[in-house]
Order: sequence, then C-alpha cells, then structure tokens
Amino acid sequence: GQQVMQIPQYQHVQEGEDFTTYCNSSTTLSNIQWYKQRPGGHPVFLIQLVKSGEVKKQKRLTFQFGEAKKNSSLHITATQTTDVGTYFCAGEGGSNYKLTFGKGTLLTVNP
Amino acid sequence: NAGVTQTPKFRILKIGQSMTLQCTQDMNHNYMYWYRQDPGMGLKLIYYSVGAGITDKGEVPNGYNVSRSTTEDFPLRLELAAPSQTSVYFCASSGGGAGNTIYFGEGSWLTVV
Repeated sequence: GQQVMQIPQYQHVQEGEDFTTYCNSSTTLSNIQWYKQRPGGHPVFLIQLVKSGEVKKQKRLTFQFGEAKKNSSLHITATQTTDVGTYFCAGEGGSNYKLTFGKGTLLTVNP
Repeated sequence: NAGVTQTPKFRILKIGQSMTLQCTQDMNHNYMYWYRQDPGMGLKLIYYSVGAGITDKGEVPNGYNVSRSTTEDFPLRLELAAPSQTSVYFCASSGGGAGNTIYFGEGSWLTVV
C-alpha cells in the first residue's frame, strides 16, 4: 500500500532560524496536503499542492511539490515561537481518495 | 459553525469496560474518519466511512467498531478496553473525492487503567 515517509521526526531550532520538513511517498500522488497540530490541539489544514513542481507561499511558509509528484517540503523562514507544533504531510493517491499521513515533524522553537 | 464535534473530551476507563466515542459533523460531508494518535506519534486510521451505511477498516481496527446510520454521525465503539487503547482519538470528515481537505474534531483523550 501507499506509504508516506516524513523527516525529520523532531527539529529544535533557535527563534529566527529556518526550518524544513520533507515528505516522500512510495507512489505518485494526485495531491499532497499539509497540516499543523499545535501542542494539545488537533490537526488543522494548511495547504494543498496539486501540480507537478508547484510552489506555494503563506507568509513565512513555503510549500513545494516535487516534479515527479512523489515528494514535498515545507520550509519556514525565520521561525517564531508561534510556529511550534507538529507538521504533517498527507498524500492522496490511487482511486479511493484516501489520504495517507506521514508521521509528522515536531518543531520546537527556543525563544 | 460547529464543524466536527466529538464527545467526551476526556475519559478514564477501567480494563474490560466498554464505551462509545460520539462524533457528529454539520458540513454534510460524505467521508468520515476515526484516527488515534499515541503520544509523540503520528495519526493512525482506525475506521472510515464513505457514506451512510458504509464503513471500512483502516490500519488499526482491532478492538473497535463503528457504525454510520446517518450522514452526520459516526460513533466509535471500544469493546473490552485495554491499556493499549490509551490514546487521543480524533474524528474527522471530508467532502470526499479528489483533493478534499480533512476537518478534525478537537480530540478525545482516553486513558485505560
């Protein structure tokens, strides 16, 4: 079945440093979604990427979808303490439209 | 603007007890899901449903049952609770089809002692 691997599992940064999390799928995806879960909270949708090579930005967050539609990344520029949380990628592929979540990257930011 | 509502928020169960986690959504979504998240871990799909009367197993269905008698409701039943079922449970829904985003409930913290 489809597998989505996400690295790193944890990342600790100083406030102001950049952060990147990577997502790789075992199969070609029709789209990939990113979610953020604050500590003690629930996952909240951030963005969806559909096109090969697509790049989208949300303020300090930059999302990329690979040319082969099998990998994706989320980059945060100049992290802030409000960025703390777990970032999940979720890939959609196949005919059943079921999302497969990566295990997430927990980001902690030292002020 | 309720979205996905799940109850209870917190519950302590004794080993061998049973309980039902309730979930309802008001977005008229066809797809509903139950995930569990163990501390510091990712989301594991327990069961999902693509419409009323239709349910299917996810990755970790053992020890759980679901039903989907209406579009709005998707309760999760725990039979004979075990310590391994201590987790946070998230109900979620989506419109279904390609590219639909998933909306999560706020979670139910369950401890089995």
